[in-house]
Amino acid sequence: DSGVTQTPKHLITATGQRVTLRCSPRSGDLSVYWYQQSLDQGLQFLIQYYNGEERAKGNILERFSAQQFPDLHSELNLSSLELGDSALYFCASSRGMAGGRETQYFGPGTRLLVL
Amino acid sequence: LAKTTQPISMDSYEGQEVNITCSHNNIATNDYITWYQQFPSQGPRFIIQGYKTKVTNEVASLFIPADRKSSTLSLPRVSLSDTAVYYCLVGDTSNQGGKLIFGQGTELSVKP
Repeated sequence: DSGVTQTPKHLITATGQRVTLRCSPRSGDLSVYWYQQSLDQGLQFLIQYYNGEERAKGNILERFSAQQFPDLHSELNLSSLELGDSALYFCASSRGMAGGRETQYFGPGTRLLVL
Repeated sequence: LAKTTQPISMDSYEGQEVNITCSHNNIATNDYITWYQQFPSQGPRFIIQGYKTKVTNEVASLFIPADRKSSTLSLPRVSLSDTAVYYCLVGDTSNQGGKLIFGQGTELSVKP
């Protein structure tokens, strides 16, 4: 158990809809990272937040947005969903701001299926 | 941006040493190299991290040559439980705007 929790575990929705994925980092960790894992694209970094502020951005679509709240939990919002958004979405956390230099602890993921 | 390339799959037998190489020709000066292990239906798990030369911990070694354009994860004496997908991650976000790039993963199959 990494100490990172994600809800929900599974999500089934329809094209055009909007969903929110939630992540709680390990106690004491200030950074939250979001990743998308699909069969054709592999693991893709989406975005990092550190202590409430956006820190780094990867291949995140404009239809996707994220935020980190004062209690450090984070939400990833996916809107105008398309079939190709079906994937596993992972959240990870680390102690500081330097992603890549620190150990990231990954949650169990949310599996999203868009029909 | 550092594009990372790994072999798609590798086979090994119990007790052997396994070496998995990741190529990252465009690695930036500040980028670190980290390896993760992933089992089906689980999130990736940290194995080892380095910047240059050699790093060793209780489960693996990481070799990084002087030009840093590649890195090799070495797993000594693998067992059946090491069957998993192994990813290299290259990047750094210590400066705002940094990036994190995963390789496509190497599926390791350990046979008895």
